[in-house]
Amino acid sequence: GQQVMQIPQYQHVQEGEDFTTYCNSSTTLSNIQWYKQRPGGHPVFLIQLVKSGEVKKQKRLTFQFGEAKKNSSLHITATQTTDVGTYFCAGPTSGTYKYIFGTGTRLKVLA
Amino acid sequence: DVKVTQSSRYLVKRTGEKVFLECVQDMDHENMFWYRQDPGLGLRLIYFSYDVKMKEKGDIPEGYSVSREKKERFSLILESASTNQTSMYLCASSWGLPGAAESYEQYFGPGTRLTVT
Repeated sequence: GQQVMQIPQYQHVQEGEDFTTYCNSSTTLSNIQWYKQRPGGHPVFLIQLVKSGEVKKQKRLTFQFGEAKKNSSLHITATQTTDVGTYFCAGPTSGTYKYIFGTGTRLKVLA
Repeated sequence: DVKVTQSSRYLVKRTGEKVFLECVQDMDHENMFWYRQDPGLGLRLIYFSYDVKMKEKGDIPEGYSVSREKKERFSLILESASTNQTSMYLCASSWGLPGAAESYEQYFGPGTRLTVT
């Protein structure tokens, strides 16, 4: 069945360092969504990418959708302690509203 | 603001009990979802519903059932709770109509941490 893998599973960085998480799907995706879950919280939607090669920015966060629409990345520039949490990507199962979530990347930022 | 509420934040049940988890959304969303979240496994879809009385199995439906009698309410039922159903359960809702090309963000509730002893 369709799988969405994320790497790394964990990442510890010093405050001010950059961070990147990668998301890879076993099938081509019509779109990809990214969510952030703070410790003790619930996932919150960050962004959706739809077009091949699309790049979107939100302040220090840069999201990219691969040309083949099978992979995506989230890059954070100059991490801050407020970036702590788990980042999930999610891709739709073709023709339905079912989304397959990646396993998540847990980011810890050391002050 | 969209609000998704879940009936309990924490729940402790005994093996074999029937367990009801309730979820209510206030944004008239067509789609509602139940996930479970376990360390290292991410979010796994149990069931989802795209309309009242309509439901579809997700990736791990075994041991669970659902009910959607009203558009705003989606219930998850554990017919006979087992220890391997100890987990965090997250409800979510989203816009969307069957057959539509667009996808919409999911709004999550705060979660119910269920412990089965």
